[in-house]
This record gives sequence, structure tokens and C-alpha cells, in this order.
Amino acid sequence: QVQLVESGGGVVQPGRSLRLSCAASGFTFSSYGMHWVRQAAGKGLEWVASIWYNGSNKYYVDSVKGRFTISRDNSKNTLFLQMNSLRAEDTAVYYCAREGGWNYGFDYWGQGTLVIVSS
Amino acid sequence: DIQMTQSPSSLSASVGDRVTITCRASQGIYNYLAWYQQKPGKVPKLLIYAASTLQSGVPSRFSGSGSGTDFTLTISSLQPEDVATYYCQKFNSGQFTFGPGTTVDIK
Repeated sequence: QVQLVESGGGVVQPGRSLRLSCAASGFTFSSYGMHWVRQAAGKGLEWVASIWYNGSNKYYVDSVKGRFTISRDNSKNTLFLQMNSLRAEDTAVYYCAREGGWNYGFDYWGQGTLVIVSS
Repeated sequence: DIQMTQSPSSLSASVGDRVTITCRASQGIYNYLAWYQQKPGKVPKLLIYAASTLQSGVPSRFSGSGSGTDFTLTISSLQPEDVATYYCQKFNSGQFTFGPGTTVDIK
């Protein structure tokens, strides 16, 4: 069965960095686009970043451009999110999600990892 | 950038009622739209993709329609287990923006 397991969250001071990982299993990871979505406490969903199946194209929400970098290692079935220059407003649960196909939607989600940016 | 809005922001309905949620894009997005359900404390669940295609395993009381800028999610007969927040999401131009959500509860 498809599984996505995030890790790497924690408490970090403003301006510092954190790297999130998402370990994928149960499907051919290298065939799917992948995404990061975040949700602040009591707030809605915010798409953060995406990467094509082969890593050739990456997209970001404006608020993280230049600070966050999405990447993947298809040999290790792992998705990453490098977060630099963190701000208090980046505090959220971060989910990785699989894009099921062209115009398909995000059909599988991890359980999320909590990032708290605080001094 | 294309903005997504939803209405209403919340609603309360009785069991068995027909419920309709509207999602609007600030520019046309063809049918590049998905709907999700998120129950309290849970991970979002894909309900509808390509504006009107029901995801496998989703009850048939859920349906989606629309294209261009205006979309709707309909629950034909509201059930207690449908209490959740519902989000639309656009799928085009490398931006996957979610709507602000509509919270549905039972009257």
C-alpha cells in the first residue's frame, strides 16, 4: 500500500534552517509528481512546492521562493524540502502529497510533520 | 496569479439535506480543479478531480461540476460523517492553490 512518511520537523529559531524528508513506499516513486502542503494551526491548506517526477521542474508559492528548495532522490524514494531563513509565519504542519496524475489531484498524503519557528 | 474563493465559508445543514459549495477562480482554469475533504485532526482526502470525476471509494452522494471559473461540490444527502472542511484546489500553470475552505456541520 502507498505510504508517505514525513520527518525532520521540530522547533527552530527564526532565520535558521530545517530539512524535511518524506519517505515513499508502495508505488513507483519515480513516476509521480510530488508536493509539499502546509497547514498552520486552525487555518486552511496552503500548497508550498512541487517537483516533477524526474526533478526537472519545480514550482513554489511566492511566499517561500528563494528560501525553500524542493528536491527528490528517486534512487532512495525520498522527497525533501530544504527550508532556509525560516520565519514565524512558516510555523505549520507540513504534509507531503503524491499527485496522482495529470489533472488528478493529490491522492495520497503523509501524516505530516510539525515545524515551529520560534525564538 | 489566479486566486480561488469559496462560498459559503461555513454552513450548517440537517441530515439528508442537499448541500452545495461553490468555488470560483479569478481566471479560467478549464476543468483543472480538485475537491478535498478534511475531517478534524485528519489528513485531507481527495474527493473529486478534473472538476467532476469521483475518486475511487468516495460515496456517490458527492459530485462535482463546473468548468472555466465556476465550480460546485454537491453532497446530495448530508450524512453525519460528512462533517468536515471542504477545499477546492486548482491545477494549472505550476501553481496548485487551495481555496480558503468551507466548513460543514450538522444542524
